[in-house]
Amino acid sequence: SAVISQKPSRDICQRGTSLTIQCQVDSQVTMMFWYRQQPGQSLTLIATANQGSEATYESGFVIDKFPISRPNLTFSTLTVSNMSPEDSSIYLCSVEATGTDTDTQYFGPGTRLTVL
Amino acid sequence: SQKIEQNSEALNIQEGKTATLTCNYTNYSPAYLQWYRQDPGRGPVFLLLIRENEKEKRKERLKVTFDTTLKQSLFHITASQPADSATYLCALDGYSSASKIIFGSGTRLSIRP
Repeated sequence: SAVISQKPSRDICQRGTSLTIQCQVDSQVTMMFWYRQQPGQSLTLIATANQGSEATYESGFVIDKFPISRPNLTFSTLTVSNMSPEDSSIYLCSVEATGTDTDTQYFGPGTRLTVL
Repeated sequence: SQKIEQNSEALNIQEGKTATLTCNYTNYSPAYLQWYRQDPGRGPVFLLLIRENEKEKRKERLKVTFDTTLKQSLFHITASQPADSATYLCALDGYSSASKIIFGSGTRLSIRP
């Protein structure tokens, strides 16, 4: 299994500012995923981050709004730029499990973001 | 478009009884179906994976069924305990490495003593 940590665990931010969320994994992984989970909603994939290449964004998400870095195989950051109250959500990073159940995912604890 | 439906209302079960959660999907032929548990303020935790050619899978007090004809999965917790109270998410995954996992919105389960 993989152990994933995220920083910060929560934050309250002002409209128009940006927040960078960090995700650290205790083992090297090829792909890292960033999700958003709004209250009462399912997890929505924002982007997939591969080391050494640009992140792949899902429909409805753009790099200018959610820039992602992946400097090495154990770390990634997601920035929520020019925030508005609609960005209030839980942001989760995850990695794919390796081994027999390769299609399962391990998730970080999430970052709860509130934008005022 | 692909859609996953889980009981939107919370499920309240008496301790000791079997809790049964439903996951229905449309416009999708998943290769795998997964169940995750999510506690408040925490990320989802993987519980079980069942493949399309498997009808049933068990793990301790958990049992998952997968009916590709009905496009439905049932998730059972037998001898339920208050500690089982959480939100349970089902997720579908396709055949290729490029396919994305799609999550349902989850069902909140409460086990009362």
